[in-house]
Amino acid sequence: AQTVTQSQPEMSVQEAETVTLSCTYDTSESDYYLFWYKQPPSRQMILVIRQEAYKQQNATENRFSVNFQKAAKSFSLKISDSQLGDAAMYFCAYRTWGETSGSRLTFGEGTQLTVNP
Amino acid sequence: ETGVTQTPRHLVMGMTNKKSLKCEQHLGHNAMYWYKQSAKKPLELMFVYSLEERVENNSVPSRFSPECPNSSHLFLHLHTLQPEDSALYLCASSQFWTSGGNTGELFFGEGSRLTVL
Repeated sequence: AQTVTQSQPEMSVQEAETVTLSCTYDTSESDYYLFWYKQPPSRQMILVIRQEAYKQQNATENRFSVNFQKAAKSFSLKISDSQLGDAAMYFCAYRTWGETSGSRLTFGEGTQLTVNP
Repeated sequence: ETGVTQTPRHLVMGMTNKKSLKCEQHLGHNAMYWYKQSAKKPLELMFVYSLEERVENNSVPSRFSPECPNSSHLFLHLHTLQPEDSALYLCASSQFWTSGGNTGELFFGEGSRLTVL
């Protein structure tokens, strides 16, 4: 079974600075998707960025980028120019898929990010 | 409305009550999910429905009873719950099959905060 580990329960960053959130996973599959989700105090989980395992290029979405190291099974999220609105719980997730089981996500424990003004 | 909507947002119930959580998705997806989110724990997948058919039940106690009358609606019927069932219950939807560029990511509702007294 796949497992996802986020070793940083809490992180903090100064506004306008850069922060990196860590995520490692364990799998025997060769093709899969990885996601970072954000859950602000409003509670709705919002997709931040996705990475397909067979693509070597790291995904980027505006101020959010990932460092995907497939061999090391590492998938970290970098937030540049941090803003107050980035404060949230961030979850790393691994997508597995099966013909009968379909698409489902396994989540890490989450990292609570605080942005200090 | 767009996206995934959940009602009620907050629910307080006694251990002998019967209540239901409702989820509705307007994204044209064919799979719906119930997740349980407790403090300091990863999200736990409870149920998965594909085309209104339950495809996974992760050893959830029978006091939780899901119902999926069509691909747009999902219910979670609750009866004789325990205080440890207090949590945030998240509904999500996705495309079940990952083909044609579909990444299988989940789209979440804002959750129903359940408190069992």
